[in-house]
Order: sequence, then structure tokens, then C-alpha cells
Amino acid sequence: DVKVTQSSRYLVKRTGEKVFLECVQDMDHENMFWYRQDPGLGLRLIYFSYDVKMKEKGDIPEGYSVSREKKERFSLILESASTNQTSMYLCASRRTGGNEQFFGPGTRLTVL
Amino acid sequence: KDQVFQPSTVASSEGAVVEIFCNHSVSNAYNFFWYLHFPGCAPRLLVKGSKPSQQGRYNMTYERFSSSLLILQVREADAAVYYCACTTGTASKLTFGTGTRLQVTL
Repeated sequence: DVKVTQSSRYLVKRTGEKVFLECVQDMDHENMFWYRQDPGLGLRLIYFSYDVKMKEKGDIPEGYSVSREKKERFSLILESASTNQTSMYLCASRRTGGNEQFFGPGTRLTVL
Repeated sequence: KDQVFQPSTVASSEGAVVEIFCNHSVSNAYNFFWYLHFPGCAPRLLVKGSKPSQQGRYNMTYERFSSSLLILQVREADAAVYYCACTTGTASKLTFGTGTRLQVTL
């Protein structure tokens, strides 16, 4: 079974802090994704990566950056956290040629 | 703008068949995906495809710009959020709907 893990289930940070959210997958998938989930807005794509050191902006990239130094790991970075980034963050991965995305359990981030 | 539309809430009685409808405005989309999401857990794929399909109690209908998820013999434990998503043939990314919360009454 594909396993996607996220480093924290809950995270509380202060406005202006730099925040790292980590995601690791164990199935050698080429593609990885970061979403945020907000009530009434569903899942919105922030960034995705289709290979090591490659990244593409999703629908709401503003205020975020990403890093993909190794195939199994995809990091989401909030350079200066703001209260409107309080949300549930979900990571997913997908094999190239496949169409199913496998999700992690999410990190609930609260920015005070 | 590429968007996927689904109702915010659907209510059903236990034992009934419930239908959750989804339609989209995604250019050249042809694959639909239905995910189940319990809070605190990873979203899980239920059914997918570019034609009508079934996986256990979950049926998916397919039209060019819409799909429905039908859940047979609904149970109280099915109360969760259901996401519809679609993708084009070559794009990596899925476009998700806003999610439908299923409420099940006994």
C-alpha cells in the first residue's frame, strides 16, 4: 500500500514565523502535491512537483513556496506565516502514468 | 476558470440510496474521481473513470460534463465529506469540487 506521511498532525505558529510542512511518500512516485482544505472551498492546489527539483504553481501559490530535493520528500514553506494561512494542509502523491492521487492524513496549521 | 461544482450538503436515511451530483467547467476534462474524506484521515479514492463504474456499494455515473456518486444501502458510518474531482487527459493535476457533506439519519 502507498503510504504518504506528513510530519505533524497539528501545528501552532505565530504570525511572521517561517513554517515548514513536510511530506514523505514511500512508493517512488514522481508527482507530489500540496493542497489546502477550507470549509466551503474544498481542496485547492497550492503547488505540485513532477520530478526532483521541479515545481509548478497550482491555483493558490501566493504566500507559499516548495522544495523537492529528494524524490520521496516534498516540503511546503510559509516564509512568513499569516493568520489567513490557518488551514488544513494535505499532501498527495501520484505515479506518472497513473491517475490516482494518494493522500496523507493532513496537518492542521493554526497561525496566531 | 476551471471549476467543479457539487452541493454542500446531502441528507439521506439509513438504508436508502443517496446520490451526490457533480458537474464541471474544466476544459477537456474526461476523467472523474470520487474521494471520501473523514476528518483527521487521508482522503480515500472510492471510484474513478471516464465511463460508468462500480466499486462495492459505490456507483459512478458519467456524462461529458457531470457525474453522480450513488451510495447504496447508506449507513450511519457513511457520514463524511465526499469530493468530486476531474482531470484532463494529459494534465497531472486534479481539480476538486468544494465537497459534499453527507448527513445520515437513522
